[in-house]
Amino acid sequence: GAGVSQSPSNKVTEKGKDVELRCDPISGHTALYWYRQSLGQGLEFLIYFQGNSAPDKSGLPSDRFSAERTGGSVSTLTIQRTQQEDSAVYLCASSALVTSYPYEQYFGPGTRLTVT
Amino acid sequence: AQTVTQSQPEMSVQEAETVTLSCTYDTSESDYYLFWYKQPPSRQMILVIRQEAYKQQNATENRFSVNFQKAAKSFSLKISDSQLGDAAMYFCAYRSAKGNAGNMLTFGGGTRLMVKP
Repeated sequence: GAGVSQSPSNKVTEKGKDVELRCDPISGHTALYWYRQSLGQGLEFLIYFQGNSAPDKSGLPSDRFSAERTGGSVSTLTIQRTQQEDSAVYLCASSALVTSYPYEQYFGPGTRLTVT
Repeated sequence: AQTVTQSQPEMSVQEAETVTLSCTYDTSESDYYLFWYKQPPSRQMILVIRQEAYKQQNATENRFSVNFQKAAKSFSLKISDSQLGDAAMYFCAYRSAKGNAGNMLTFGGGTRLMVKP
């Protein structure tokens, strides 16, 4: 079946603008993750959704970042008042029940965000 | 908190030769999973191989195998018969086995593998 998809593929925005990044997980996957990949910080966890449970927001770097997951499927990561340090590739991943084999997370192709 | 370290920012291998990428990690947990992911220029992270910590036997997937040393907290990746398509960034990653303990992956800094024809 289809893999994880993300849109847009690339996004250029001006400092101070808000952006929304979208993730469509693999159908049936209950867990969804957002990661950020930047030159200075490597790959960092941002937020995790599992079914209808409250999300784990422990990785969000500031209150300018938020995410939601509607209907247990599509997720949107929103960055308000973007700053140049927000420039990075934002990766989304999904997985089946986290306690079940094969435990792996399947990644989307990412959104490259450039803040000018 | 767990940390993952990849001490080799770049590695180079001749086509058809064997190369080993290093990874060490720090954790106080006894049950966890380890992964190697490949990221080509397309940005798509692809799982190469996984290892459950409770398994003593090293995982193998075709040309890819790991050397898992639990006591030393070491998890190296060996690529045999290297191919041009193996050129990519390789990330070592750790995941707790606790069902509700933050199931996110913790990644190492990555190793860029170049394959020479």
